Amino acid sequence: GAGVSQSPSNKVTEKGKDVELRCDPISGHTALYWYRQSLGQGLEFLIYFQGNSAPDKSGLPSDRFSAERTGGSVSTLTIQRTQQEDSAVYLCASSYGQLYNEQFFGPGTRLTVL
Amino acid sequence: LAKTTQPISMDSYEGQEVNITCSHNNIATNDYITWYQQFPSQGPRFIIQGYKTKVTNEVASLFIPADRKSSTLSLPRVSLSDTAVYYCLVPPGGNTPLVFGKGTRLSVIA
Repeated sequence: GAGVSQSPSNKVTEKGKDVELRCDPISGHTALYWYRQSLGQGLEFLIYFQGNSAPDKSGLPSDRFSAERTGGSVSTLTIQRTQQEDSAVYLCASSYGQLYNEQFFGPGTRLTVL
Repeated sequence: LAKTTQPISMDSYEGQEVNITCSHNNIATNDYITWYQQFPSQGPRFIIQGYKTKVTNEVASLFIPADRKSSTLSLPRVSLSDTAVYYCLVPPGGNTPLVFGKGTRLSVIA
């Protein structure tokens, strides 16, 4: 079946602009995660959605970052007033059921802020 | 909170067995140990999970001693395509998401 998809695959923007990154999780998966990965670094947790519960936003680095998950499916990560340090690969993952079940990752969106 | 410690990098020649050990001294009684693999320019993928003793699948084996304070991922007869970053994860506690950290960067040399 279809895996996790993300769009766009690459995004180049100018400092100060807003960007939206999209994630389509695997159908039926109740949990959705966003991570950020800078070059040569590990994954940095950003936000976690589980069903209809309030999201765990503890990893969002600043109030310029926000995310929504509509209808328990598609999610959008929004970065306002982008900065050069926001440049990274943004990865989305989904899983079924409990918090520590296997996560299925998308290919990521490479964001470059000029 | 449970944390993991694993080597930053390892090198191996093709055809050798590679063992990557991860320490997790504060793992909770009921928690599993999970390993993910990340190839360059891709998202991580789950490779194996275990609770105790030994787990084996088509990709790897996972050895967990009785005290569960560490675990060893074993990759038999590695090839160049096994070059990747390997992450060892345990639940950090407090019903919080897994922390991926920097993992172990395995380089397989011909």
